[in-house]
Amino acid sequence: GENVEQHPSTLSVQEGDSAVIKCTYSDSASNYFPWYKQELGKRPQLIIDIRSNVGEKKDQRIAVTLNKTAKHFSLHITETQPEDSAVYFCAASIPYGGSQGNLIFGKGTKLSVKP
Amino acid sequence: EAEVAQSPRYKITEKSQAVAFWCDPISGHATLYWYRQILGQGPELLVQFQDESVVDDSQLPKDRFSAERLKGVDSTLKIQPAELGDSAMYLCASSLWKQGINPGLAGDEQYFGPGTRLTVT
Repeated sequence: GENVEQHPSTLSVQEGDSAVIKCTYSDSASNYFPWYKQELGKRPQLIIDIRSNVGEKKDQRIAVTLNKTAKHFSLHITETQPEDSAVYFCAASIPYGGSQGNLIFGKGTKLSVKP
Repeated sequence: EAEVAQSPRYKITEKSQAVAFWCDPISGHATLYWYRQILGQGPELLVQFQDESVVDDSQLPKDRFSAERLKGVDSTLKIQPAELGDSAMYLCASSLWKQGINPGLAGDEQYFGPGTRLTVT
């Protein structure tokens, strides 16, 4: 089955710097890659996603890139702010049997932005 | 903005007792998911419904876990008997996706509820 590896597990940056989180997936059939932000004690919130027919997507300070050949995708956060501090999860989805593929999550990256 | 609702938010139970969690998805969302999230890890799917039908329950420990979505709207997840290892966050999510309607290019975004934090003592 699908396996998603996420690195690093923790990331500490200074306010204003950029942060990059990387994920790799194992099944080339995966076609949907969302990123979730989870603050302590709160629900995971979808912040950006990308589909396999697109190489890059940007939304203000966050962007996601996808390399299908290498089977990896990355989250880029520019001009980081203290409120960006949270745990970020990547996920991959494989369509199967006509049903929506389930999301397989990485183990998460704890991002700390120091003021 | 519509959100997925879950209750209770916190539940403490003794091992061997029964426990139930409730989820109300975003109105109009055909697909509903139950995930389990162990502290420090990503969510893991337990069961997926499309309307009232189970699409995937391959990861649901059926000897003790059960889930239903009788009218295709809200859903209940039950554990009986609870074990110490069941302590985790139980998350519900929903999406617009429906087989035969969405070709996989849109509508499969999943939105999560606040979760139920279960502690088994």
